[in-house]
This record gives sequence, structure tokens and C-alpha cells, in this order.
Amino acid sequence: DGGITQSPKYLFRKEGQNVTLSCEQNLNHDAMYWYRQDPGQGLRLIYYSQIVNDFQKGDIAEGYSVSREKKESFPLTVTSAQKNPTAFYLCASSISFHEKLFFGSGTQLSVL
Amino acid sequence: SQQGEEDPQALSIQEGENATMNCSYKTSINNLQWYRQNSGRGLVHLILIRSNEREKHSGRLRVTLDTSKKSSSLLITASRAADTASYFCATLSAYGGSQGNLIFGKGTKLSVKP
Repeated sequence: DGGITQSPKYLFRKEGQNVTLSCEQNLNHDAMYWYRQDPGQGLRLIYYSQIVNDFQKGDIAEGYSVSREKKESFPLTVTSAQKNPTAFYLCASSISFHEKLFFGSGTQLSVL
Repeated sequence: SQQGEEDPQALSIQEGENATMNCSYKTSINNLQWYRQNSGRGLVHLILIRSNEREKHSGRLRVTLDTSKKSSSLLITASRAADTASYFCATLSAYGGSQGNLIFGKGTKLSVKP
């Protein structure tokens, strides 16, 4: 089955710790995205990538980092510089940039 | 900043009734997209409507776009309990550049009672 897989489903971060969220897709999509969703809010764009080895900051990139070494993979690292990391993180991909996004099932990140 | 804002914030209806959700935005758009999100899950794309289109259908879904009023509506006909979810509109600016990201509204929470 083609799809987009996020792991883990739940993740806990200690103070001062960096954590990495995984996102893998087998849809052969060029574009991939990371969004953050807070309760009762819409999605906010963290980073996006239109092609391998290239990525751009979104609206709330501070405290986050990404890499795009393979077409299938777009991991997100939440660094210790992100002071309010508790949120639901969603990865997405698409054939055409910013159109008809396919989403993963999300990772809920909480702070211990 | 440009943003789609859904109205109402919450909607509760009986199974079989129609559900209408609205989205308003501030600046010219390239396209407008509707997504559904079940609780604790990822979003699912429903319909994309471009700025030169006025209406699109997909099964029980009908989307209209009025660029003069900068608004869109999503109609779900003959609703089912399985339609219970949050519905988001997302707008893509016509201007690109730093404004060229897809902007999501806060969503309408739809509850369909059996």
C-alpha cells in the first residue's frame, strides 16, 4: 500500500533534549512538509522541501531542523531551543507543490 | 496575513441532514482546498477548487467559491455519523514568494448524531 508513515505515534521529551520525528513516504512525491497543530488550532508550517537535498523554512521554523537526504524521508528534529514543543506534528507529501497534500497519522509530542 | 477562517466553529446535526461550512479569506488566492480530520488523526484531502472555478462536486460534497466575496462553502449532503470530524479550509496565495505557503484555518468541528 502506498502511503506516508510517521513514527513514533507518541513521544516524550525531557528538558534540554533533542528528539527526532520520522516521516517516510512511498508515494514517489517530490514535495514534503512538516506542520504543527495545537489544540483547537489550524496547522502551521514548520519546514518544507520541494526536492531532495533542498528545504525551506516555513512560518514557525525556530527551534526545529530537518534534512532531506532521500526522496522518501523527511525527518524533523525538535531541538532544545524549542521552548514550547508540546503539540501534534503532522508530516505530509504531495505531487504538486502545496496541492492535494497526503498526511501521515501524526506524532503527539509531550514534555516530561 | 492571509488566512482561511471557517464558520461556524462547531456544528451539530442529525444524520440525514445537510451540513454547510463556510470559509473566508483575505487576499487573492490561487486555489482553496478542503480537508477532513478525524480526532487524533492526519488530514485527508477532500476537494481543491481553483480561483477560476465556481463550483465542484465530489460524491456527497459540493464546494463553491466566490472570489468577489473571498469566501467558499462546503456542503455535505445526507450526512452520516461517519462524517463526524473537523473540516479545514486551506488557501494558497496568488502571490507566491514568502506568502506562497498553504494557510490553514482553525476548522469547523462537525458532529453528526445517529
